Amino acid sequence: GAVVSQHPSRVICKSGTSVKIECRSLDFQATTMFWYRQFPKKSLMLMATSNEGSKATYEQGVEKDKFLINHASLTLSTLTVTSAHPEDSSFYICSARDRLAFGKHNEQFFGPGTRLTVL
Amino acid sequence: AQSVSQHNHHVILSEAASLELGCNYSYGGTVNLFWYVQYPGQHLQLLLKYFSGDPLVKGIKGFEAEFIKSKFSFNLRKPSVQWSDTAEYFCAVKRILTGGGNKLTFGTGTQLKVEL
Repeated sequence: GAVVSQHPSRVICKSGTSVKIECRSLDFQATTMFWYRQFPKKSLMLMATSNEGSKATYEQGVEKDKFLINHASLTLSTLTVTSAHPEDSSFYICSARDRLAFGKHNEQFFGPGTRLTVL
Repeated sequence: AQSVSQHNHHVILSEAASLELGCNYSYGGTVNLFWYVQYPGQHLQLLLKYFSGDPLVKGIKGFEAEFIKSKFSFNLRKPSVQWSDTAEYFCAVKRILTGGGNKLTFGTGTQLKVEL
């Protein structure tokens, strides 16, 4: 199956700093990538939908200036948590949809997630 | 707003026991339905999916799910669980909108522990 990687897998940072998380589709091209946030004992919450070459679409309640998303190529999307605070500590998961599978009820493939801890 | 409910948050079973995990959703239109599994320390993997046709869907590792439209349900089943099935299971629903922008909505997950 298709593989999605995330880097880093874990990051610890000081309050006020910015952290960048990368999401890559390794063996397919993804025009659409999704960023989720998972709280302990909770479900995955969609934060934004990232489209290659255009602005991301953010879900209601997600701060665009706080969570910057860039989808500059068909295999890479980045999420930057700006001026991170302890409440931003969470598990961030990306997902990608295969461009070539469009129209065939294409599946979303998930990355392994990034654990962010803000001190 | 659409919601996806998984009624069982924690399930503990002995090996060879039968499994059924409930999933209900609130959206009345056309939906695609999914079950994902997350093994400890690993990423989400697709177990099975329903788009149309036969409401009884068979997935990997002996799992199956039945879509009952009248009950807005998509319960996951396995006749005989194994210790290796210990994982967290997520139900997900995608609303099919004519204008596109279809998004997956996840349930809160069910933590399954299978004891030897």
